[in-house]
Amino acid sequence: GIQVEQSPPDLILQEGANSTLRCNFSDSVNNLQWFHQNPWGQLINLFYIPSGTKQNGRLSATTVATERYSLLYISSSQTTDSGVYFCAVEGPGGANNLFFGTGTRLTVIP
Amino acid sequence: EAGVAQSPRYKIIEKRQSVAFWCNPISGHATLYWYQQILGQGPKLLIQFQNNGVVDDSQLPKDRFSAERLKGVDSTLKIQPAKLEDSAVYLCASSLRWIYNSPLHFGNGTRLTVT
Repeated sequence: GIQVEQSPPDLILQEGANSTLRCNFSDSVNNLQWFHQNPWGQLINLFYIPSGTKQNGRLSATTVATERYSLLYISSSQTTDSGVYFCAVEGPGGANNLFFGTGTRLTVIP
Repeated sequence: EAGVAQSPRYKIIEKRQSVAFWCNPISGHATLYWYQQILGQGPKLLIQFQNNGVVDDSQLPKDRFSAERLKGVDSTLKIQPAKLEDSAVYLCASSLRWIYNSPLHFGNGTRLTVT
């Protein structure tokens, strides 16, 4: 099956700092999504980004499909950004069934 | 719009007992997913429905897990009998379509503890 690797596994930032999270995947994909899981367990969809670059406020994401990686940028981090960030890609069967990586746990300290 | 609703929020059972979880997707969403998230791991897809038909259940342990979506709206996931390794959060998600550019919306999950 498709492999999804995320790095770093853990990240601690001072409030206001910037960060880059990376997702590598083992096969070409039609579908890549970034999610944020807050400390209460709620998973929120951040980006649908199989290729190219998107921005939403302080967050942006870039996927280079030909090189099989995606990056999530967080600028001017806030304590509410804490949680686990997951990259998920569509499995070989298609149909929007996503395979998740193991996540990057981000802690933003005031 | 109302989000994906799941119940119960928490459940504690003994091994070999049975348990059922319920999910109500966002109105109008044709595709429904059940994911299992073990502590420290990313969610793993168990089963995917398109309306009331199964699209993918390749990772569902069918000897003990079952799921249905009889009228193409609500869904239930059942475990019978439960094992210790089934302790996890069970997440339900829905999307408008089953094609690749349809974002998934997740419920708050049901945290299952098997003792």
